Amino acid sequence: DAGVIQSPRHEVTEMGQEVTLRCKPISGHNSLFWYRQTMMRGLELLIYFNNNVPIDDSGMPEDRFSAKMPNASFSTLKIQPSEPRDSAVYFCASSPLAGQVTGELFFGEGSRLTVL
Amino acid sequence: GDSVTQMEGPVTLSEEAFLTINCTYTATGYPSLFWYVQYPGEGLQLLLKATKADDKGSNKGFEATYRKETTSFHLEKGSVQVSDSAVYFCALSDSNTGNQFYFGTGTSLTVIP
Repeated sequence: DAGVIQSPRHEVTEMGQEVTLRCKPISGHNSLFWYRQTMMRGLELLIYFNNNVPIDDSGMPEDRFSAKMPNASFSTLKIQPSEPRDSAVYFCASSPLAGQVTGELFFGEGSRLTVL
Repeated sequence: GDSVTQMEGPVTLSEEAFLTINCTYTATGYPSLFWYVQYPGEGLQLLLKATKADDKGSNKGFEATYRKETTSFHLEKGSVQVSDSAVYFCALSDSNTGNQFYFGTGTSLTVIP
């Protein structure tokens, strides 16, 4: 079975450019999470969706960040404009259960973003 | 609110040493508890889990017991190997908060031959 698929795996861009990260969750999972990982701050939850609806976006750092989930099989995280402090590894994860008995998270391999 | 606190690292052990990584939690409901492991350059993957008090999760020689009285879920392994070198995250998921996961800050483990 295919796991969570993220693209791109690596992105190097210049300050001010728009960055779009993509995620395909595991088929049948109805919760999707975006995390950011840095050495300084560890693993931070940015936003999560249940059944394609954003439930909690309080972790989104500022208005430059936006996330969408237009359907059950695709999500994007966009940064516009990007800044050097956005450099991090961004993980997408999905879960088979929403709002009920909890299940485990399945993580993608991450998108490493470097903003110069 | 819900939270997870785990011991700070980094931890360095010799091969075959005993490992303990402490984890305590705060939750409003009856959470499920997890340990995740992240190997270098990879995403997190589930190591073990426990869904109710007194449950013991185990996998690959690692164990953790869900202790409601002490709100703890400490990770243990009797004899670590070099291949266990990774970052370990304690986490909880509380159905009262709509399946939101809370992760600890991670503990880096290095095992030397």
